[in-house]
Amino acid sequence: ETGVTQSPTHLIKTRGQQVTLRCSSQSGHNTVSWYQQALGQGPQFIFQYYREEENGRGNFPPRFSGLQFPNYSSELNVNALELDDSALYLCASSLGWADTQYFGPGTRLTVL
Amino acid sequence: DQQVKQNSPSLSVQEGRISILNCDYTNSMFDYFLWYKKYPAEGPTFLISISSIKDKNEDGRFTVFLNKSAKHLSLHIVPSQPGDSAVYFCAASDVTTSYGKLTFGQGTILTVHP
Repeated sequence: ETGVTQSPTHLIKTRGQQVTLRCSSQSGHNTVSWYQQALGQGPQFIFQYYREEENGRGNFPPRFSGLQFPNYSSELNVNALELDDSALYLCASSLGWADTQYFGPGTRLTVL
Repeated sequence: DQQVKQNSPSLSVQEGRISILNCDYTNSMFDYFLWYKKYPAEGPTFLISISSIKDKNEDGRFTVFLNKSAKHLSLHIVPSQPGDSAVYFCAASDVTTSYGKLTFGQGTILTVHP
C-alpha cells in the first residue's frame, strides 16, 4: 500500500510568483487536508477537500486555493507569494473527512 | 489564540525510563485527540488517538490519557528507546462542527539518551 506522496520536495520562488504543490493520497482515501508548518511551530490547517469539494477552510487568504481530482489527488496553489509563505507544506489524506489523517513528507517552500 | 498548547519545548529521558509528554487545550468542543511523531525531513507519523468518551487508550509502549475536566492529555512512552527521539505533536479536532480540521500544539522535542 502506497502512502501519501508530495511533489516537489523542495522549491525556491521569488516574491510575487505563483506556486503549485501536488499531493497523491493513500489508496482508498477520499479526503485530503493541507497544512502549513512554519519553523518551530505546529502545522496550521489551510483547507480540506472531500470528494472533490472544499469541505472547510482555515484562516488563510484567498490567494491560497486548491483542487481535488477524481482520483482524489490534490493541488495547493499559492498566488502572489510573500516572504512569510516560506514554510513546510504538508498534505494529509484520510478515509473520510472525520477519520485519522496520514501525512506525506511535505514540500519545503522558500520565498526570496 | 493558541487552542492547543504543549508547554514543554523539550524533554530529555534515559533509555528504558518513562517519557511523559503533556498537552493542554482550551476549546471544550474538541472531541478527538491525536499524537503524532515527526522526524526531521519527514511528515508527521500518526501514533495514537483517543475519543472524548474515553480516558485512556493503549497501543504497545504508548498510552494516551485524557482528563476532560482539566482539558489535559498526556502521552506516556514506556520503556523509552533512542529511536523515540523526535518531535511530538498533540492535535485536536471537533468532528461534529469543524469537519476534520486538526489543531496542533507547538510540539515537544523528545531526546532519549542511551
